[in-house]
Amino acid sequence: DARVTQTPRHKVTEMGQEVTMRCQPILGHNTVFWYRQTMMQGLELLAYFRNRAPLDDSGMPKDRFSAEMPDATLATLKIQPSEPRDSAVYFCASGFQGASGNTIYFGEGSWLTVV
Amino acid sequence: GDSVTQMEGPVTLSEEACLTINCTYTATGYPSLFWYVQYPGEGLQLLLKATKADDKGSNKGFEATYRKETTSFHLEKGSVQVSDSAVYFCALSDAGFNKFYFGSGTKLNVKP
Repeated sequence: DARVTQTPRHKVTEMGQEVTMRCQPILGHNTVFWYRQTMMQGLELLAYFRNRAPLDDSGMPKDRFSAEMPDATLATLKIQPSEPRDSAVYFCASGFQGASGNTIYFGEGSWLTVV
Repeated sequence: GDSVTQMEGPVTLSEEACLTINCTYTATGYPSLFWYVQYPGEGLQLLLKATKADDKGSNKGFEATYRKETTSFHLEKGSVQVSDSAVYFCALSDAGFNKFYFGSGTKLNVKP
């Protein structure tokens, strides 16, 4: 059963610390999205990649956030330094452009709390 | 730009009642349309999709029809269960699969 895998599932960290979240997309998918979900803002698109190249990261605070795909099986989202306002659930999703329509599949999320 | 608008929640229904969650979209070209469901503490799961006008997506008793003339993709179910309590998101993918747009989500509460 193919699925998007995210680690860590839960993270509590102190303000100022570096946080790295990892995502393993579904094998064969060439598009990876990072979303952030909060009660106030809902789902926000932070960045997305196609064939490992960043296509749009305009939703991401550039001063502290960075996203990369070092290889086709790993996407990372890094926050340095973290702040309490970064507390949220971070979702990775992967997808493909196929004859049956463009579909994306979500991981279970990384629940981040910055204290 | 492309966007999705869905009805505000929460929606509270009694078990076995009929459900409709409205979703309208704005898009250029021929987008694909989706409904995702999120249960507490979990990620979003694909519920159903439709890729062209007049297509009907269906799954687990839920249905939605892609209406190009009204730019809508309303989610319906004839008889809801307590286990359907969740947040439902309408979404749109542009034809080039360059973006995936989500609505704000509609929380559904089903009472026994």
